[in-house]
Order: sequence, then structure tokens, then C-alpha cells
Amino acid sequence: DAKTTQPNSMESNEEEPVHLPCNHSTISGTDYIHWYRQLPSQGPEYVIHGLTSNVNNRMASLAIAEDRKSSTLILHRATLRDAAVYYCILSSGGGADGLTFGKGTHLIIQP
Amino acid sequence: ETGVTQTPRHLVMGMTNKKSLKCEQHLGHNAMYWYKQSAKKPLELMFVYNFKEQTENNSVPSRFSPECPNSSHLFLHLHTLQPEDSALYLCASSQEATAAGNTGELFFGEGSRLTVL
Repeated sequence: DAKTTQPNSMESNEEEPVHLPCNHSTISGTDYIHWYRQLPSQGPEYVIHGLTSNVNNRMASLAIAEDRKSSTLILHRATLRDAAVYYCILSSGGGADGLTFGKGTHLIIQP
Repeated sequence: ETGVTQTPRHLVMGMTNKKSLKCEQHLGHNAMYWYKQSAKKPLELMFVYNFKEQTENNSVPSRFSPECPNSSHLFLHLHTLQPEDSALYLCASSQEATAAGNTGELFFGEGSRLTVL
């Protein structure tokens, strides 16, 4: 799987938008971009995924650069419950190969 | 509630013990996974089962022995473990990703916290 690069940690204030960046300069044409997050003492949970176009769901938005070499997860209005480790992962899809998790970004939300 | 249940949530065992971790998914998925999460390290994929057949074993020591009797249940049998095997063991399931756009989203359990003394 192609590699992703994320900042180790980020800090934001409650009720403000958060932009979590991810670089994936070696992404291939068939790689999907997935975001998961892991809250304290829980297993990871799916947030969003996309291929080429920007995506929105009830949890977040995913903005994908035109060249697909980077993406940004956007939390529109952070709450204390959004404090977690956020993982950006690439996978080529197809089959059931599992996902390879990196270190992710530790998001700290200040009240 | 993710639809993936792991038991026990906490386990303490000696190096000579034999124990098992259990995972059950109620989502109708056909793929199941074991991940290991050690302190300050990324999640490590250990085993993948697809339609009850093991399709991936990421160089896991033989003291970890998986078993998948059906698509809903996954076990991890543990024997003669070492203290460095202490970690959070996470089970996940997914529907097999297809070209139609299902990318095989993973659903994780809450994990079994293992301590080896």
C-alpha cells in the first residue's frame, strides 16, 4: 500500500472547524483514501472515504486535491468528543485485505 | 455498538497459560481480521480471514493461533506468550470490497486488553 504522511498532533478549540491534512504523493489511480478515528479506549471507527471527488457525510467532509497527492479531513465544528487519533489510509480496494494503519494525528480539542 | 463483540475485554495470563480471545460479528460480513495495538505503536494487521479461509498471516509467531469456524466467529488462541505480547487485540469485520464501489469499510470491536505476566 502507498504511504501517507500526517502531523503527529494538532490542537483546536471547541466549536471551531478543524482541518486535518494528509499527504500521499505516491497514491495510485485505484487507491481510495480512507479516514478512521480512534477514540480513547475504543477500536477505530470509520469516518469517511473517497476516490477523486470531495465527499460529505454526517461526521465530516473530505477534500481531495486535484492531483490526489493530498487530502484534508474537515470537521466543521469540533466538540470535545472529537478528540481522538485520526488515521488517513490508502487502499486499492477489491478483496478483503485489511487496512494498514500508520501513527495518525492525535487531535486535541481545547474547551 | 459496532456489531462486533469481543470477549473478554481484559485478560491477564502467565507465560505458561493457554487462553483464547473471541470475536463475534452480527453484520453478515464475510471477512474478519485480528489487529494488535501495542503502546505507542500503530495498529498491526495480524491475520485476515475471507469466507472462513485464512488469506493473510503477517509473519505472526506461532504462539498466536487463529481459528475461524464460520463467517461470524473468529478466535485467537494464545499459548506460551511473552510479556512483550501484552497489547490491545482488536477484531474487525468487513464486507469484501467490490469493484462496484464497496470499499470494505472495517467495523472494529472494542478490543481485548491482554497483559502477560
